[in-house]
Amino acid sequence: RKEVEQDPGPFNVPEGATVAFNCTYSNSASQSFFWYRQDCRKEPKLLMSVYSSGNEDGRFTAQLNRASQYISLLIRDSKLSDSATYLCVADNNAGNMLTFGGGTRLMVKP
Amino acid sequence: EAGVAQSPRYKIIEKRQSVAFWCNPISGHATLYWYQQILGQGPKLLIQFQNNGVVDDSQLPKDRFSAERLKGVDSTLKIQPAKLEDSAVYLCASSLAGSFSYEQYFGPGTRLTVT
Repeated sequence: RKEVEQDPGPFNVPEGATVAFNCTYSNSASQSFFWYRQDCRKEPKLLMSVYSSGNEDGRFTAQLNRASQYISLLIRDSKLSDSATYLCVADNNAGNMLTFGGGTRLMVKP
Repeated sequence: EAGVAQSPRYKIIEKRQSVAFWCNPISGHATLYWYQQILGQGPKLLIQFQNNGVVDDSQLPKDRFSAERLKGVDSTLKIQPAKLEDSAVYLCASSLAGSFSYEQYFGPGTRLTVT
């Protein structure tokens, strides 16, 4: 079983749609979680950290469910520029390593 | 502020040859990471440095991969000899410190093709 698992997609959605991605993690002791965005042939960039209480940044909302060991990312009012791969990330609880999921590809179409 | 610099951007070599990648982190960043990203997968950590000391290299294939960070600034990652399965993008990242409260900033990567 992969440590951090994501549906690879692609998710094809029209502009203005709401789309949600889930990610599951296997290490119940993980403490830190993140979503990174990676554009085609570019480097990953931090989109947002995921807090236990959930957090929102504009059109983006991240949630953490420790009981079920999953993290979600909700994107409202999708823009063409949101087209990218979204990487779910969890730590190894030893405080020294992040494990990345395989990414979920989103394609927003006009 | 200058970002993480990496060179070369692209490299094509034959199997069993050697190759080296260079990374210059953001000025003042104590922690440096090397990741391997195979097409269609997420980045996998190979090695993490805190200043010039190794924090974690548990996923580094030490029979063929080596890395160093002399003087706690620039770093080089070497593969000797290369195998076909080493074809990937090698990403360098840096952060102010090793705690995850500090964001990791990635360089543009070196795309390695082994033929």
